[in-house]
Amino acid sequence: AQSVAQPEDQVNVAEGNPLTVKCTYSVSGNPYLFWYVQYPNRGLQFLLKYITGDNLVKGSYGFEAEFNKSQTSFHLKKPSALVSDSALYFCAVRDGRRGNTDKLIFGTGTRLQVFP
Amino acid sequence: DAGVTQSPTHLIKTRGQQVTLRCSPISGHKSVSWYQQVLGQGPQFIFQYYEKEERGRGNFPDRFSARQFPNYSSELNVNALLLGDSALYLCASTGQGGLAVLTFGAGSRLTVL
Repeated sequence: AQSVAQPEDQVNVAEGNPLTVKCTYSVSGNPYLFWYVQYPNRGLQFLLKYITGDNLVKGSYGFEAEFNKSQTSFHLKKPSALVSDSALYFCAVRDGRRGNTDKLIFGTGTRLQVFP
Repeated sequence: DAGVTQSPTHLIKTRGQQVTLRCSPISGHKSVSWYQQVLGQGPQFIFQYYEKEERGRGNFPDRFSARQFPNYSSELNVNALLLGDSALYLCASTGQGGLAVLTFGAGSRLTVL
């Protein structure tokens, strides 16, 4: 079964410091991985995706993610955190079975808190 | 361009009632999917519709149903509401099948008392 795990419920970081939000996955076949962000009372906003190619994926708002096949990880990173980055972050994997092209399996989310 | 729009934004129902949630996809998007996000959890897939046909169904009881209209808008219906149905219901659309990115609406927050 496809699944993702986000081992940290919350990550705290000071503004200006680098941040990492962890995600590990379990899939059969090729992994199609995504990161979404959710601000209070808002829907999910797409940050970036890994389909194939370079292991370092660059996305919106200065975020990037590193795909590591041997460790089955897809950690979200940003070199310098902003207070406005404080939000709930979700890692997701697409269900690769035929027909379920829009079925994403989400992790439980990690709350990022950036302190001034 | 308008994004994915959902209505109503908030609603309160009592146990046993029925609810209908509505979603309008981004113009030109033919695929709509529905997700349930219970407080403190990640979204869970309920349905996907493409060109008015069901493409996928998550592990939800038959009380949950959906449909897609010729203009690609969609409705999610939940019958015989339970307290556990209280959640944020998210709609997402994509331009075409395959590996397109889902664009989510702001959601409909349902509270069941």
